[in-house]
Amino acid sequence: GESVGLHLPTLSVQEGDNSIINCAYSNSASDYFIWYKQESGKGPQFIIDIRSNMDKRQGQRVTVLLNKTVKHLSLQIAATQPGDSAVYFCAENIRDDKIIFGKGTRLHILP
Amino acid sequence: EPEVTQTPSHQVTQMGQEVILRCVPISNHLYFYWYRQILGQKVEFLVSFYNNEISEKSEIFDDQFSVERPDGSNFTLKIRSTKLEDSAMYFCASSIQGSSEKLFFGSGTQLSVL
Repeated sequence: GESVGLHLPTLSVQEGDNSIINCAYSNSASDYFIWYKQESGKGPQFIIDIRSNMDKRQGQRVTVLLNKTVKHLSLQIAATQPGDSAVYFCAENIRDDKIIFGKGTRLHILP
Repeated sequence: EPEVTQTPSHQVTQMGQEVILRCVPISNHLYFYWYRQILGQKVEFLVSFYNNEISEKSEIFDDQFSVERPDGSNFTLKIRSTKLEDSAMYFCASSIQGSSEKLFFGSGTQLSVL
């Protein structure tokens, strides 16, 4: 199990560069994956999703990649902006009616 | 854009007291959820609710917790006898088609148990 006061991994990226945030998910039976963005004091906000029958999906400035062989999910943000500063969580739909969140990565944008 | 609303934004209570956290899901959504987030940690699933029944719950959601949809618009989380470790941000979420579609989250209720 996790310890109390777990620190989130942090990624620092220069403004204008691309960001890549990685996530390892737990259940090989999961069929739906989502990336959420959480700004300070707010609830998780949907960014992009992908189903298990795909390995790549693109949105506006964001791309999600899914590698089912190694149970790995990544979020790519192009031309990172100050407004992208947040904690990013991957989440998976584990059969039944629940979505489980991963540990999160804090993205810092350097000027 | 429609959104999930939660009240109150902050709730302070004494240990052992009952609290009710309130949520108004998006109006055409049928699936409802509660999550919690202890400061600095990940978002943890508590319970999912559909058709006036609990569909899934986590081990956190013990007998001290209950959910209710008392009318056509509200969805509540009750903690019967709060403990210090219940202090967290509680998020309500809703979805059109369950967890195979994206969940929309409210801004949360910060619960502080003293």
